[in-house]
Amino acid sequence: AQSVAQPEDQVNVAEGNPLTVKCTYSVSGNPYLFWYVQYPNRGLQFLLKYITGDNLVKGSYGFEAEFNKSQTSFHLKKPSALVSDSALYFCAVRDRGRDDKIIFGKGTRLHILP
Amino acid sequence: GAVVSQHPSWVICKSGTSVKIECRSLDFQATTMFWYRQFPKQSLMLMATSNEGSKATYEQGVEKDKFLINHASLTLSTLTVTSAHPEDSSFYICSAREEFLAGDSQETQYFGPGTRLLVL
Repeated sequence: AQSVAQPEDQVNVAEGNPLTVKCTYSVSGNPYLFWYVQYPNRGLQFLLKYITGDNLVKGSYGFEAEFNKSQTSFHLKKPSALVSDSALYFCAVRDRGRDDKIIFGKGTRLHILP
Repeated sequence: GAVVSQHPSWVICKSGTSVKIECRSLDFQATTMFWYRQFPKQSLMLMATSNEGSKATYEQGVEKDKFLINHASLTLSTLTVTSAHPEDSSFYICSAREEFLAGDSQETQYFGPGTRLLVL
């Protein structure tokens, strides 16, 4: 069965420093991978996705993620964090050989300290 | 990106009443929509997959007679919580998948802003 792991409940980063939010996945076939961000009392906003092609994917608000097949990881990164990046981040995976379902990780709360 | 709206954004109701939540894709057509439930500080739990013109597919443990889903058009899906009880209080989020004839855009789901339901 497909699954997503976000090992960190919370990540604290000083403003201006680089940030990384970790994600690993498990699927039986080839994955579609996604990152979403959720602000308080709001729905999810799409950040970026990996479908195929270049392993480094660039998305909204300066975020990027690198698909690493050997490590089954899809970590979210940003070179310089902003206080406004503080939010809840979800990694998600869909097994391309299976049904329509996207499975979400439990989420990582990112705190950017001014 | 594509926009998905939900209405209402929040609702308070008495126990035993029914509540309908609408989900609309505003600038694209969506053959498939999804309904999620989110508890505080937890991830999204998929409740059901809504298919335009056919019956919804419910996840294991989700009561289809309690959570009625209708997907009557390519831009509208509704979730009705029937005979709501306090344990149904939650944040309900819908999602729609943008459909294209070609390309990888069809793999992206866009989410509504959510509906907070409080059952007294």
